[in-house]
Amino acid sequence: GQNIDQPTEMTATEGAIVQINCTYQTSGFNGLFWYQQHAGEAPTFLSYNVLDGLEEKGRFSSFLSRSKGYSYLLLKELQMKDSASYLCAVRDNSGATNKLIFGTGTLLAVQP
Amino acid sequence: DAGVTQSPTHLIKTRGQQVTLRCSPKSGHDTVSWYQQALGQGPQFIFQYYEEEERQRGNFPDRFSGHQFPNYSSELNVNALLLGDSALYLCASSKRLRDRGVGEQYFGPGTRLTVT
Repeated sequence: GQNIDQPTEMTATEGAIVQINCTYQTSGFNGLFWYQQHAGEAPTFLSYNVLDGLEEKGRFSSFLSRSKGYSYLLLKELQMKDSASYLCAVRDNSGATNKLIFGTGTLLAVQP
Repeated sequence: DAGVTQSPTHLIKTRGQQVTLRCSPKSGHDTVSWYQQALGQGPQFIFQYYEEEERQRGNFPDRFSGHQFPNYSSELNVNALLLGDSALYLCASSKRLRDRGVGEQYFGPGTRLTVT
């Protein structure tokens, strides 16, 4: 079966660092994505990992371990505008559609 | 370069009615995927269209149907609406890659459907 788990909610302080974890079990793994979604808006792309290791992009970094079925998103120097839901999604290439399988999202609240 | 567009932005329907949602893909993209996102949940894959055919379908009943037009735009139709169909409906477009499925998916702003 296909299953993606991430924490439901997290709270962090402005200026701090937060790590959002994601574990997955899927068939046809073809990459893992992190999206940011503000309330009432569409998801926006943050990062993509297909090979093991760390991908860094400004204040955001994402890590993948395919053998462990594990990823995390690291947000540094948190800002109030980072308060949003963070979605972990696995790209499933079975059927050649590369559909995205999403977790339920982690709602991050950044406090002053 | 226009991104993915969807219409309408918001829609209110009554149980039992039918609804049609529309999506225009990003320029250069030929594949459209539809997702349903209930409140507090992640998006769930409904189906994907390429070359005017449904290529794969998620775990959704036949009440959900779609269509893709020659210009690559797409419609999502839902019949016999239920209260549980209330959700944000997201369209994502991508480009088919030879022998490698589809490329990155870009999401539209979504249509908020409320069923009363």
